[in-house]
Amino acid sequence: DTEVTQTPKHLVMGMTNKKSLKCEQHMGHRAMYWYKQKAKKPPELMFVYSYEKLSINESVPSRFSPECPNSSLLNLHLHALQPEDSALYLCASSHLQGLSKNIQYFGAGTRLSVL
Amino acid sequence: AQKVTQAQTEISVVEKEDVTLDCVYETRDTTYYLFWYKQPPSGELVFLIRRNSFDEQNEISGRYSWNFQKSTSSFNFTITASQVVDSAVYFCALSEAKYSGGGADGLTFGKGTHLIIQP
Repeated sequence: DTEVTQTPKHLVMGMTNKKSLKCEQHMGHRAMYWYKQKAKKPPELMFVYSYEKLSINESVPSRFSPECPNSSLLNLHLHALQPEDSALYLCASSHLQGLSKNIQYFGAGTRLSVL
Repeated sequence: AQKVTQAQTEISVVEKEDVTLDCVYETRDTTYYLFWYKQPPSGELVFLIRRNSFDEQNEISGRYSWNFQKSTSSFNFTITASQVVDSAVYFCALSEAKYSGGGADGLTFGKGTHLIIQP
């Protein structure tokens, strides 16, 4: 089973709204990632959590706030977003050790529209 | 800094033709991983292969094969006897191979190659 589940699949929000994206995996992975993908572009790394601690923040604006409550869950809290933040947000997870180390498995993504 | 170049923006072939997707990378890391992912129109990225920097053996999986050449910093992907279901965007990606306990590294993706297989 290599399933990463993201909810919701689609989200429309206004610039003053607060919303959260959720990601869940039950593969025992101890690394989890958020990527942003604009149309016809490659995914761009936003955040990395290793052993539930934020290990990489790619200079993402503070209106994006990640949270890793436990080893299976990853959230991305959104507040005061801009229309240019509209994109596909992808979550991924991977092992940190062993033969399959760093093979990232992706969820189907949340397609976000900011009005 | 890491960089992945996929010079082919779009490739269109007729079904059953063989097709090769090119990938050239740049990194200062001595140990690293190379990947190929497939992204169909549904949007989910599907893992295809990971290769370690110290393992230059070519790999074949069914109709898919990969050629890793460290001397030219290339990691090319060939689909033999292409099928319509192979139509997708294919991404080559790179990450640092940190030592155990060193945390995770995100993927640096190329711009992707849009592969169109016509019936």
